[in-house]
Amino acid sequence: EAGVVQSPRYKIIEKKQPVAFWCNPISGHNTLYWYRQNLGQGPELLIRYENEEAVDDSQLPKDRFSAERLKGVDSTLKIQPAELGDSAVYLCASIRAGITDTQYFGPGTRLTVL
Amino acid sequence: AQSVAQPEDQVNVAEGNPLTVKCTYSVSGNPYLFWYVQYPNRGLQFLLKYITGDNLVKGSYGFEAEFNKSQTSFHLKKPSALVSDSALYFCAANSGYALNFGKGTSLLVTP
Repeated sequence: EAGVVQSPRYKIIEKKQPVAFWCNPISGHNTLYWYRQNLGQGPELLIRYENEEAVDDSQLPKDRFSAERLKGVDSTLKIQPAELGDSAVYLCASIRAGITDTQYFGPGTRLTVL
Repeated sequence: AQSVAQPEDQVNVAEGNPLTVKCTYSVSGNPYLFWYVQYPNRGLQFLLKYITGDNLVKGSYGFEAEFNKSQTSFHLKKPSALVSDSALYFCAANSGYALNFGKGTSLLVTP
């Protein structure tokens, strides 16, 4: 089975520019996560989707970050405008449904904001 | 709130020797605990998890972990380390449907 797919793998932008990341979860996985991993740290949850509904976005900085999961499959995470502190790796993960299910992660998008 | 601590930033071990990467947790209710490994410029790869049952959990690539409820620990172990095991290791505990990760431990296995 194909894993979680993310693109682009790397992105370098100037501050104040917009940027978007795309994620395609494992087929049949209803729950999708976006995490942010700062250098030297573990991933931190940004948002969780159950199908097309964002059920936990409490950690998402809503002034500049937005996300969507149309049709409950692919998801896009957007930052507008980007700030220097947004430089990080953005990871997408998915599980089928259950709370004890294993989260499978994509390779991530490394964002550098100059 | 659920939290995970990995007290060692780096662990060094010689190839062929046993390795241990430490993890302690603080959770309310029954803990669901996970170990992931991350290679440079790669995402997190699942190694093993503890949900319930046997305290010794076996996972991928010869790794295992021991759940100790009294010490609130979930240490990752391998009997004989390989140079290719050198990577960043993350312990995580469930927080609802999401995971709380430790800050990671860098494992360096020298020939």
